[in-house]
Amino acid sequence: ELKVEQNPLFLSMQEGKNYTIYCNYSTTSDRLYWYRQDPGKSLESLFVLLSNGAVKQEGRLMASLDTKARLSTLHITAAVHDLSATYFCAVDKGTGNQFYFGTGTSLTVIP
Amino acid sequence: DAGVTQSPTHLIKTRGQQVTLRCSPKSGHDTVSWYQQALGQGPQFIFQYYEEEERQRGNFPDRFSGHQFPNYSSELNVNALLLGDSALYLCASNLLGVGTDTQYFGPGTRLTVL
Repeated sequence: ELKVEQNPLFLSMQEGKNYTIYCNYSTTSDRLYWYRQDPGKSLESLFVLLSNGAVKQEGRLMASLDTKARLSTLHITAAVHDLSATYFCAVDKGTGNQFYFGTGTSLTVIP
Repeated sequence: DAGVTQSPTHLIKTRGQQVTLRCSPKSGHDTVSWYQQALGQGPQFIFQYYEEEERQRGNFPDRFSGHQFPNYSSELNVNALLLGDSALYLCASNLLGVGTDTQYFGPGTRLTVL
């Protein structure tokens, strides 16, 4: 079974600092997705990464994919309080949108 | 453009009862997937429906069943509820064959089993 691991599970960081969330997965896949979830809310799509070396950026967030290492990263630049949320990566098993989600990273940005 | 909608928002049931959750996909989408998200966990794939048939299934018992209607909307049924079925149930939709697209998630149904 495909396993997806994220680290760290919990992240507390000061405003203005940089940090990276890591997502490792156990089997070959070239489709990786990042989502954000606010408390009590649903999942909001952030990035879709579909090939080795793919890099996407939106505001203070940048995601990358290394399919050979089975690793994706979500880099946060100059964090602000509004980025506080739980971030999930998800890997497509390859049979068509059957997503396997990571455990999530709960991010708290402290003023 | 209507997004994914789900009903009801919240539901409280007792052990042994049965429950039905409903989902309408995003306009233009033909595939609906259901996920269970326990507190503090990532969503887990239950099953996926396309052309009114179950196309894929995750590691969930037969107590979990579903249906897709001709208008692409879907239902998730859970029989003989257990305390462990308490979770947020998320519906997601996409257009099958568009491999470059993500899944769009609904707001979820919070099920509490007492």
